[in-house]
Formats: sequence, structure tokens, C-alpha cells
Amino acid sequence: AIQLTQSPSSLSASVGDRVTITCRASQGISTTLAWYQQKPGKPPKLLIYDASSLESGVPSRFSGSGSGTDFTLTISSLQPEDFATYYCQQFNSFPITFGPGTKVDI
Amino acid sequence: EVQLVESGGGLVKPGGSLRLSCVVSGFTFSTYSMNWVRQAPGKGLEWVSSISHSNSYIYYADSVKGRFTISRDNAKNSLYLQMNSLRAEDTAVYYCVRDHSFAFDVWGQGTMVTVSS
Repeated sequence: AIQLTQSPSSLSASVGDRVTITCRASQGISTTLAWYQQKPGKPPKLLIYDASSLESGVPSRFSGSGSGTDFTLTISSLQPEDFATYYCQQFNSFPITFGPGTKVDI
Repeated sequence: EVQLVESGGGLVKPGGSLRLSCVVSGFTFSTYSMNWVRQAPGKGLEWVSSISHSNSYIYYADSVKGRFTISRDNAKNSLYLQMNSLRAEDTAVYYCVRDHSFAFDVWGQGTMVTVSS
């Protein structure tokens, strides 16, 4: 199974900060990677698919990049509603796997 | 409006069975692959199972293989997860999820399954 690691596991930031979260795959997955945001008590929300494509309705301050084994989610200017946990996910092969998550708090 | 509504969760004893259902609306169910994803309390997301739009492929996580069965009824716009031989480690919120171009783009609100004596 392809393993995903995320760093950092948590971070503290302020409104307006630029935030970068990294996801690394244990083997190359091309661009078959998605990013999700989850708030407490809610289901995850798709932010980015195909490594860098912004899901419809998601603010443009979110962006994704990378291919192969190294990927990045960037929030250009953190907003109060962005405090949440972020997960990466690979679709290159079954079993589909998620990263362990990165919690972004104040 | 696209909606996925799960049901069937609850409290069950170890070794018991449950059948989860997910009724969808607002899109053509028969053209999408579907999935179950779970999240144990305070933990991360775990993919459980996938089924293609026409049942041509079905996959399971190793942790549930041989115990869980995914199925769908396109005429009823419904997805199912039959869970047998349940264990304490199966305790989680189970989400029904739509698959669209290598992304899980629509999620239900989830149904809680608790396995405890």
C-alpha cells in the first residue's frame, strides 16, 4: 500500500499568515492526489484534486502543487474559517490511502 | 441539490452485524463510483471500500476484507455496506462518499457505529 506522510502534524498560525502543508507519498503517484479540509463534527470537504486543480466554490487562496512523491497545499492568507484539519489522499492505486492529517489552529 | 444520507448505524456487540444504507439524490447515481470511508473517534480518515458505477470493480481495505460487503442498487439510488463479525476497532463514523475523477467530491453527514459489549 502507498503510504502518505504529512508535515507538520500540527501548526499554529495567525489570520493573514501564509501556510504550507506538505504531503509525501512512499512511491510515485503522478498527480493522483487530493486535499480535504475537515472541521470538528463535519465531513471532509474537497479542496484540491489532481494535485493542483481547485474544486469549484473553493476560495482561490487555496492552491496545490507537486507530482510524483512530493506535494504541497498552500493557503496564501489564512482566514478565521480556515482553522481545521487538512488531509491528503492518493488515488494512484488501491487501497486508497489518506495522510494522517495536519491540524491548523490559532 | 446533491445529497447523500446514511442510516443504519448504532450500538452492536462484538461479533454482531449491521447494514448501513446511503440514499442519494440530486445526481445520476448510476454513473458514479461510490465509496465508504470511516473515521474512528478522534482519529484520521480511513478508506473502507469502493464500488464502480456498474459493479465491475469492488475493492476493500485489508482491515475489513472478508467481513464487510459493499453493494449498490442503482434503481433505488442506494449504496450499502453489510458489516459482519464486527470488532471494537470498527467503531467509527461511516461516511458515504461520491467518487468523481479521482476525488471524493461529495460526502454524507455520516452514521455512527459503536461496537461494544
